[in-house]
Amino acid sequence: GAVVSQHPSRVICKSGTSVKIECRSLDFQATTMFWYRQFPKQSLMLMATSNEGSKATYEQGVEKDKFLINHASLTLSTLTVTSAHPEDSSFYICSARLAGVGGELFFGEGSRLTVL
Amino acid sequence: GDSVTQMEGPVTLSEEAFLTINCTYTATGYPSLFWYVQYPGEGLQLLLKATKADDKGSNKGFEATYRKETTSFHLEKGSVQVSDSAVYFCALPDRGSTLGRLYFGRGTQLTVWP
Repeated sequence: GAVVSQHPSRVICKSGTSVKIECRSLDFQATTMFWYRQFPKQSLMLMATSNEGSKATYEQGVEKDKFLINHASLTLSTLTVTSAHPEDSSFYICSARLAGVGGELFFGEGSRLTVL
Repeated sequence: GDSVTQMEGPVTLSEEAFLTINCTYTATGYPSLFWYVQYPGEGLQLLLKATKADDKGSNKGFEATYRKETTSFHLEKGSVQVSDSAVYFCALPDRGSTLGRLYFGRGTQLTVWP
């Protein structure tokens, strides 16, 4: 099946710094990518929908100025956590949708962010 | 709105035991239903799906039947293996979106001991 890759898989940073997480579709073009956040023992919470060449659509309660999403090409979306704080520590997962009607979703392996 | 509810884990079984992970849904109409699996250190993978009521999805020995009477989509496997240890998520699509968004259950951690 199609492959979605996230980088980095783990990152540790200090409070107040910004961290960028990349999501790439390796063998297909993804017009739409989704960013999820997963808390321990909880489900995946959709944060935003990212469309190539346009602004991301954020879910209610997600701060768009804190979680900057850029979808500059058909194979790359980035999530930047700005001025990170310990409460931003979490597992972030991206998914990419195969273009076309009813296109299947493929998920990255996730990125574990720890803010000290 | 539409949602799914999964049984809470963790679930611990011995190899060759029978597995059931419950999933019920709340939705208007009959949305497609999915089971995803997340192996340690990996991303989510689609395990199986059912697109209409009474359908049975199956893959890798796992099965789930879309039952509209009980609004359920329970995941079953007759004989689990150590390699089945993973987190399993029930999901349904956001039908208000044409982009393929999914709503997930909480996930159920399965550990299989040899």
